[in-house]
Amino acid sequence: GDSVTQTEGLVTLTEGLPVMLNCTYQSTYSPFLFWYVQHLNEAPKLLLKSFTDNKRPEHQGFHATLHKSSSSFHLQKSSAQLSDSALYYCALSDRGSNAKLTFGKGTKLSVKS
Amino acid sequence: GGIITQTPKFLIGQEGQKLTLKCQQNFNHDTMYWYRQDSGKGLRLIYYSITENDLQKGDLSEGYDASREKKSSFSLTVTSAQKNEMAVFLCASSMDRDTGQLYFGEGSKLTVL
Repeated sequence: GDSVTQTEGLVTLTEGLPVMLNCTYQSTYSPFLFWYVQHLNEAPKLLLKSFTDNKRPEHQGFHATLHKSSSSFHLQKSSAQLSDSALYYCALSDRGSNAKLTFGKGTKLSVKS
Repeated sequence: GGIITQTPKFLIGQEGQKLTLKCQQNFNHDTMYWYRQDSGKGLRLIYYSITENDLQKGDLSEGYDASREKKSSFSLTVTSAQKNEMAVFLCASSMDRDTGQLYFGEGSKLTVL
């Protein structure tokens, strides 16, 4: 079945340093990949979604590239900000699954000054 | 824009009790979901529904029932609460069953005494 594997646990960074959160996946079909972000006491919300035409999605300084050869969709940002501290989920939607979204276990990012 | 409202926000019950969580959306979305959020385990799908009166089991459906009597509402029942079910339950909805973009509510936190 489908599965998503993320950088485990907590990632702690100093403000201004680059961010990279890993995400790899297994899927039967050619899936859509997503990154969701959840700030403390808020609902998760969509941050990025993969495109079918190999464009690199970007939002709020974050970007991710879908690499089908390595089954990866790593989240990157060139310079971390304090406000980036949150829980990040990678997820996939298998086009054969009739709307079901599979999430990874989440990576908590803590950015310190 | 729309909103997803979950009630109650906090629910305290006794072990063995039957407990119900409710979710309302005004996006006019077809598909609705219930996810369980546990620290370190990510978001796990309990039930989802692609239309009124439809129910589809997720990976974690045992011990739960769901009901979709109206397009705008989706309820989840814990049939017999157990102490290891202290978690946050997230309701979500989506418009397009293929894109996987979900809109989440802020969650209902369940505590079992």
